[in-house]
Amino acid sequence: DTAVSQTPKYLVTQMGNDKSIKCEQNLGHDTMYWYKQDSKKFLKIMFSYNNKELIINETVPNRFSPKSPDKAHLNLHINSLELGDSAVYFCASTQFRRGVSTDTQYFGPGTRLTVL
Amino acid sequence: SQKIEQNSEALNIQEGKTATLTCNYTNYSPAYLQWYRQDPGRGPVFLLLIRENEKEKRKERLKVTFDTTLKQSLFHITASQPADSATYLCALSDYGQNFVFGPGTRLSVLP
Repeated sequence: DTAVSQTPKYLVTQMGNDKSIKCEQNLGHDTMYWYKQDSKKFLKIMFSYNNKELIINETVPNRFSPKSPDKAHLNLHINSLELGDSAVYFCASTQFRRGVSTDTQYFGPGTRLTVL
Repeated sequence: SQKIEQNSEALNIQEGKTATLTCNYTNYSPAYLQWYRQDPGRGPVFLLLIRENEKEKRKERLKVTFDTTLKQSLFHITASQPADSATYLCALSDYGQNFVFGPGTRLSVLP
């Protein structure tokens, strides 16, 4: 059974389009993340959701909007796609315990987004 | 601003030798540090976690050290094998939910 899954694995689209990437985890974790890995392989956190509440929102354009219908899902919707959005997007999950060392993160396989 | 550096972008070593990867950070006081492995086309996979009050952690052929005075972690793979070839990422975190990843070191173990 896949712990963290993402769909689609590849996404090729035109500038200006709106697209969504879906993420699901079956680990029972209460915290999920979206990361962006650019061409230089830097992995940067975009969002964190804990119990369906947005906890972290780094300096990400508001064209990106995370949506969490329930604890097991965190989808990423992107409006008006730009060339610079091309990257690999990873979903991850963990079990957060405040004041205690957080458990490890489990990553999905990634979604390679190409904006033409 | 927080900054994490890993010793080199790429490291080549001979099979059987010990690989040593370095992670240095500034402007940060992490509660703990993690090391991940990433293979091409895949997501990172957790390897080891070390807490701020720990000096060393071991798991099979892997060893991690953590020096909060030097703001440095060393990651060792002993008796390296070609199958150890991958990109290794260090990640820092506080007691919140914010993770900061280093740029990674691409390790190649040559037969």
